[in-house]
Amino acid sequence: QKEVEQDPGPLSVPEGAIVSLNCTYSNSAFQYFMWYRQYSRKGPELLMYTYSSGNKEDGRFTAQVDKSSKYISLFIRDSQPSDSATYLCAMTFSSGSARQLTFGSGTQLTVLP
Amino acid sequence: SAVISQKPSRDICQRGTSLTIQCQVDSQVTMMFWYRQQPGQSLTLIATANQGSEATYESGFVIDKFPISRPNLTFSTLTVSNMSPEDSSIYLCSVDVGLGGEKLFFGSGTQLSVL
Repeated sequence: QKEVEQDPGPLSVPEGAIVSLNCTYSNSAFQYFMWYRQYSRKGPELLMYTYSSGNKEDGRFTAQVDKSSKYISLFIRDSQPSDSATYLCAMTFSSGSARQLTFGSGTQLTVLP
Repeated sequence: SAVISQKPSRDICQRGTSLTIQCQVDSQVTMMFWYRQQPGQSLTLIATANQGSEATYESGFVIDKFPISRPNLTFSTLTVSNMSPEDSSIYLCSVDVGLGGEKLFFGSGTQLSVL
């Protein structure tokens, strides 16, 4: 079993839809949870990071962490064609380093105009 | 934040040859990280490049295959040596501007195809 599981998709939604992207994980020691967006032929771009449980909002994006269920989500409201990309979740420990970062395999999202 | 310039952006190489990938950061950083991204798979850390010391390689990656240089605090290179088709992948460099891996910035990647 992988430490981090992410539905690869592909996920296709109409413009304006609410998108929900999810990851599950097995290591309860993870404390930092990140979401990256990767456009085709580009490197990953950090969208949001959260520490421990709870919600964090940034514009149209909301990151949610449920440590009791070992489940994290990224919600995109009013999705736009420019949101079409692969979304990667990542997580690490509170006293960790980038060496201990664990990534999901990514969900490919297409927002249709 | 950090701006990272990585080149080449893509290359097609012959089996048995080597390719050196360059990574330039717009600020001084202690550590730079090299990742491999294969289709449908998560990012895999190859090694951590420290200025003034040998790179630290992760399990499954060796210096003879992936030699790394780190001549100063803004620059690093990764060489993929004696390439085989199994080395076809995207290679990414990154830096951490956070405290412990929560704020990684990446270069645009090098798409490598080995024939």
